[in-house]
Parts: sequence; C-alpha cells; structure tokens
Amino acid sequence: AQSVTQPDIHITVSEGASLELRCNYSYGATPYLFWYVQSPGQGLQLLLKYFSGDTLVQGIKGFEAEFKRSQSSFNLRKPSVHWSDAAEYFCAGRGSQGNLIFGKGTKLSVKP
Amino acid sequence: GAGVSQSPSNKVTEKGKDVELRCDPISGHTALYWYRQSLGQGLEFLIYFQGNSAPDKSGLPSDRFSAERTGGSVSTLTIQRTQQEDSAVYLCADAGVGTDTQYFGPGTRLTVL
Repeated sequence: AQSVTQPDIHITVSEGASLELRCNYSYGATPYLFWYVQSPGQGLQLLLKYFSGDTLVQGIKGFEAEFKRSQSSFNLRKPSVHWSDAAEYFCAGRGSQGNLIFGKGTKLSVKP
Repeated sequence: GAGVSQSPSNKVTEKGKDVELRCDPISGHTALYWYRQSLGQGLEFLIYFQGNSAPDKSGLPSDRFSAERTGGSVSTLTIQRTQQEDSAVYLCADAGVGTDTQYFGPGTRLTVL
C-alpha cells in the first residue's frame, strides 16, 4: 500500500541553523510528492512538489527538497531557519484518486 | 477571488446531533477533497469529487458521514448522530483542471461534547 512516513515527530533548531526534515515513501511507481506547512490555527500551505524531472526542487520561503529514489526519500531542507518557520510540516504523496496521503507530520520549534 | 473558504470555522455540538460543514472552492476548480485532521489519526482522506462524476467515498469512516456537491461548486459534509470521536478539524481542498496541486481551506474545528 502507498504510504508516507515522517520519522521525526518534533524537531528543535536554533534560529539561523540549517534544517532537514525527513520523509520516506512507499510507492510502486514514481510518486508525486509534496511538502505542506501548517502554522498554528492555519490551513495547509504548499511549500513545494515533485512530479518528475530535476530531483532537487525549489519551493517558497527558501525551502528545497531532494527526491532520492535509491533511499525512497524526499527530505525538506532550508539553509537558515527563521523564527517564523516554526510550524508543523507534512510530507504527502498522491493517492490513486488524486487524494493526498499524508505523513504524521513533524513539528518544528525554533530557539532564539 | 479568494481561496478555498469553509464555514463555520468552529462548531460545537452535542453527541447525537447532526452537523453540516460547508466548503466553497475556488471558482473553476473541478476537483474537491475533504480531509479530517485529528490528534490520533493525523490527516485522513474522506471523500473526493471530480466534476459531475460520482464521488469517491472510499475514505468515509462510517455511514454516518456523507457529502454532496451542488452544481460542481459548493460542497457540504454532513455528519449524522455525531460521536465524540468525530471531534477533529475538517479540511476541504480543491484542485484545478489537469493539476495535482491542492489548495486547502482554513478548516472547520468540530467539537462533539
């Protein structure tokens, strides 16, 4: 069955430090993959997506993600975290009906 | 105009009552999805509408849940005889023709007492 796993429930980083959020997928074919961010009390905002082509994709707010088929991963990265990046981050894959299959999410806290 | 909107933003109801949650998608977006976000289960797919086709109800957790979409636009999710385990945030998302990018509304927080 298709699934998306985010191994880290909660991560804390210092402001200005680099960030990497992990995402692993289990799909038979090349998946369509997404990263969404949810700030407290807000809806989900799309950060970036991967469908095919260049395996390094750029998104909004300075985020990027790299698709690695050999590792079944699609990790999200940012070189320098800002306090406003504190939020919950969800990795998702496309299901058979176009629905999204979400990981459990990683909550990011940013230390001043 | 604006993005996907949902109403009400918050709903408190008593166990056993019926509730209706509304989603107004972006004009022209033909695909519409409902999801549920709860502490124990994370984000779960509930139901999917594509144009005038019959909806995909495969994610609905029980027959107390139903949804309709009128005129290919506004959608209503109905939960009958609500239970405490129905307490969650219900999210609506839509997508334009030929795109897999979904745009989410702000959600409706349902609390069943």
